[in-house]
Amino acid sequence: NAGVTQTPKFQVLKTGQSMTLQCAQDMNHEYMSWYRQDPGMGLRLIHYSVGAGITDQGEVPNGYNVSRSTTEDFPLRLLSAAPSQTSVYFCASSYRDTHTGELFFGEGSRLTVL
Amino acid sequence: SQQGEEDPQALSIQEGENATMNCSYKTSINNLQWYRQNSGRGLVHLILIRSNEREKHSGRLRVTLDTSKKSSSLLITASRAADTASYFCATVRSGSARQLTFGSGTQLTVLP
Repeated sequence: NAGVTQTPKFQVLKTGQSMTLQCAQDMNHEYMSWYRQDPGMGLRLIHYSVGAGITDQGEVPNGYNVSRSTTEDFPLRLLSAAPSQTSVYFCASSYRDTHTGELFFGEGSRLTVL
Repeated sequence: SQQGEEDPQALSIQEGENATMNCSYKTSINNLQWYRQNSGRGLVHLILIRSNEREKHSGRLRVTLDTSKKSSSLLITASRAADTASYFCATVRSGSARQLTFGSGTQLTVLP
């Protein structure tokens, strides 16, 4: 099993550009989520999904879109990149929700917006 | 807003010593989890303690939970250089099982 796979690992964007961060898991997990990690801030939840076709907002959803068409994939879209979105992004999944289990994390995608 | 806050922010110890990290949180929780993050890597789950548990062990890890004080501690015994990492507590709030809220972490350095 590969676990949680994120691509790309590194990306540089110009302000106003759009892009999609990809996340895939092969553990048949129902729950998937996106976090961003900024220095001194810990991780903050952007969006999450409890199953195909179901998504919801986390703590910092503005400027990001998500969809969940399959159990395996949960892409994160930046609609119009801003320097404030410079961060490290982590995708995580869990068998069910966080009530019962641990999160499995990808290795992260480091995004720089100029 | 962050639910958990770790203390200290940074900790440096010698190999073989014990390391204790603390986490405080603000609201009622369902469970509390501890994660480790090596530099440049993703987070790895260490241990989960439920709100009705007071202490839990896993190998060299010991976690305590005091819901009356809204605090938890992570003890790593006989530390090794490989334990050098950032450690985060994360809470699942009561009634909000779908969101795990992380603290800002403790950077642990174990000197050989």
